Amino acid sequence: AQKVTQAQTEISVVEKEDVTLDCVYETRDTTYYLFWYKQPPSGELVFLIRRNSFDEQNEISGRYSWNFQKSTSSFNFTITASQVVDSAVYFCALSEGGNSGYALNFGKGTSLLVTP
Amino acid sequence: SQTIHQWPATLVQPVGSPLSLECTVEGTSNPNLYWYRQAAGRGLQLLFYSVGIGQISSEVPQNLSASRPQDRQFILSSKKLLLSDSGFYLCAWSVRHGRNTEAFFGQGTRLTVV
Repeated sequence: AQKVTQAQTEISVVEKEDVTLDCVYETRDTTYYLFWYKQPPSGELVFLIRRNSFDEQNEISGRYSWNFQKSTSSFNFTITASQVVDSAVYFCALSEGGNSGYALNFGKGTSLLVTP
Repeated sequence: SQTIHQWPATLVQPVGSPLSLECTVEGTSNPNLYWYRQAAGRGLQLLFYSVGIGQISSEVPQNLSASRPQDRQFILSSKKLLLSDSGFYLCAWSVRHGRNTEAFFGQGTRLTVV
């Protein structure tokens, strides 16, 4: 069963628009960790943020912000005033327990296209 | 600082040929190591992970294998490639026993089996 669901396959916005990427996860663990990665056209995955299950405080980093809500099992990512350089595939991931050597379980990604 | 090297960057191989992809990590000791595959440009599937030298666990049955001959070296192999093995292969490392740590990825190898 898919543990991380990114329902938005592709999103297209015009530069300077705000955009929110959705992530819904599923776990029975009380302790778990959530991540967001960016994959630009070059292919390398770039780590953006880590959040543990006990910290529901939202986080802001420049134009990026993350909204973690345990009640809805969601960890959404918002880009404010999007730029062309934000065009990439964004992945949400979950790490739970010691299974699989703490490997990250990824969603299928959301492809974001920001046009001028 | 830690770095991860993965090579080659691209590879075109005929069906039935062998495969060897190599990944090395620098600047850290005793890392957890992972091989992921991304097919058709989407979704990352965990193939193998290793928590120590010689310790390999497979997540998905297939004709691929992995080995960890040294602490910071992780190799993905196949004796005979299939068309379905085409994809983007990513090596990653994380701090051992680091339940709360992110994984850091290599540049990836784009494999095309023809």
